[in-house]
Order: sequence, then C-alpha cells, then structure tokens
Amino acid sequence: NAGVTQTPKFQVLKTGQSMTLQCAQDMNHNSMYWYRQDPGMGLRLIYYSASEGTTDKGEVPNGYNVSRLNKREFSLRLESAAPSQTSVYFCATALRGGGTMIYEQYFGPGTRLTVT
Amino acid sequence: QKEVEQDPGPLSVPEGAIVSLNCTYSNSAFQYFMWYRQYSRKGPELLMYTYSSGNKEDGRFTAQVDKSSKYISLFIRDSQPSDSATYLCAMTSSGGSNYKLTFGKGTLLTVNP
Repeated sequence: NAGVTQTPKFQVLKTGQSMTLQCAQDMNHNSMYWYRQDPGMGLRLIYYSASEGTTDKGEVPNGYNVSRLNKREFSLRLESAAPSQTSVYFCATALRGGGTMIYEQYFGPGTRLTVT
Repeated sequence: QKEVEQDPGPLSVPEGAIVSLNCTYSNSAFQYFMWYRQYSRKGPELLMYTYSSGNKEDGRFTAQVDKSSKYISLFIRDSQPSDSATYLCAMTSSGGSNYKLTFGKGTLLTVNP
C-alpha cells in the first residue's frame, strides 16, 4: 500500500502560471485535506473534503480551487500563481464513519512549490 | 489570541534528557488532543492522542492534558537523537462538523549525541 501519494514533489512556477497538485490515497478514507506549511506559520488548512462529492474552505482558501475527483483523489489548483503561494503543500486523509473520529490524519510526503 | 499557541523553540538537549513540549489553547470545546511528529522534509505523523483530561503513556512518551488550565504537554524520557524532529500539537472538538484539526506551529527539537 502506498498510503498517501502526492505529485509532483517539487515545482517551480513563474508568477501568473497555473498548476494542479495531485493527491491520491489507497487507504479507503472518506475525508481528505490540503494544507500549506510555512516557516513560523505552522500547518494551515486550505480546503477539505469531508466525503466524496463535498468540498469546503479552510483557513486560507484564497487563490486556490479543489476537486474531489473520486474517493481516492483530491486535487489542488493554483489558477494564477503568486510568490505568496511559495510553500510546502501537504495532502492528508482521515477515516470517518463507524464511530471513528478524525483525529488520525495521514499525511503525504509534500510538494515543495516555489513561485518566482 | 490564536486558538492554539506553541513555543516554536528551537529546543536543543543532550541525549538522555527529559524533554517537555507544551501547548496552550483558548477554545474550551476542544476535547481531542494529539501530538504529531514531523521529521525534516517529511509529512507529519501521529505520535499520540488523548481524549479529554488525563495522562497517556506510550513507551518513552507521555501526553498530559489539563483542560482546566487549557494546557497540554508531551514528555519524552531518555531522549534519543532519533527524536530530533518538529513536534506539532493538534486538537479538535467532538460532535458537529468536526472534520478539522487545529494545529500549533510546532516546536523544533534537536537531541545531541
């Protein structure tokens, strides 16, 4: 089992370019999340999907869009990249349902994005 | 006031030391408390979780929650160089749309051989 995979691992964009970060999981989890992590700022939630077919904004959604393509895949799109979006992006998943709580989130390895 | 406050450190200790990591929070609805460990250039991984107040021990790690003070701690006994990582506290409430965790900013710990 691969767990949570993210592509690409590294990316450099110029201001104004667009790109999509991909996340896939083989854990059969219901909930998926996109975070960004910046020095001194910790992990901040961008968007999340509680279950297939739903998405909701997190703490810092501006400049991003998401798509929950199916139960396995959750993508994050930057339509017009800005230097302020230089960050490390993490996808995470959590099992929900059957009385379990969402405290155990499983993280991918991250995508390091630089916008020049 | 941020919902979760965590001293970012960095914290540097000699091998074998007892390490204490702490977070304070302001939201009294939080009931589930977690500690994640993040090695350099890796994603965070869950280390321990605690429900409501009390202690939980797992090997060299002990998590404590004091809801009356809105204060949580992680103790590491006999610290090892392999414990060198960033430790993030996280918490959430029960009930409702509790799909989200609130994270502290993380404390960078270095254990020197």
